[in-house]
Amino acid sequence: QQQVKQSPQSLIVQKGGISIINCAYENTAFDYFPWYQQFPGKGPALLIAIRPDVSEKKEGRFTISFNKSAKQFSLHIMDSQPGDSATYFCAARGGAQKLVFGQGTRLTINP
Amino acid sequence: GAVVSQHPSRVICKSGTSVKIECRSLDFQATTMFWYRQFPKQSLMLMATSNEGSKATYEQGVEKDKFLINHASLTLSTLTVTSAHPEDSSFYICSAGQGAGPGELFFGEGSRLTVL
Repeated sequence: QQQVKQSPQSLIVQKGGISIINCAYENTAFDYFPWYQQFPGKGPALLIAIRPDVSEKKEGRFTISFNKSAKQFSLHIMDSQPGDSATYFCAARGGAQKLVFGQGTRLTINP
Repeated sequence: GAVVSQHPSRVICKSGTSVKIECRSLDFQATTMFWYRQFPKQSLMLMATSNEGSKATYEQGVEKDKFLINHASLTLSTLTVTSAHPEDSSFYICSAGQGAGPGELFFGEGSRLTVL
């Protein structure tokens, strides 16, 4: 019940296209859903986050869509650029501020 | 955003030795810090929650005698890998949050440990 399932495992998108990564969870007690971007050899950096009382949040080219009833949320990257090539992790926060991470998606943007 | 610094970024040690990794919150106080472990091409796995002034809380399956955590001040937590073995080689990452309430967690840059 503490798992967060993320898909796809890897994704290749052409420059300018839309990258979509999906996550699903079971625990309805999760109260915060962040997305992180990680480059090789670096720690994860927060991209965008959403709380379950909001269905969508947009920051620049990044949008989170949140479906509380389906217990799913997704990250959309518009106008994807080669610099967006990285590994993306969704996460969900449970008790005591603990984050549970998805399995990660390796995104490659082809020029 | 707030900055979390880890040191060292890379460390190589011989099997059987101990290695200490530091995690500092540079511009805020963190009553709670978290330590994660990440194997190549895998996700982050929470190892333990470090609480200032009290004992760390370890996740199931994490050996507390092997991974010693000390959170001596509001800006510093340390992870000591004792009697390291090659299977302890991994990327160790810490995170910290501002204040005691819910909010964004800031991650360090990670520390790559290689045990020969």
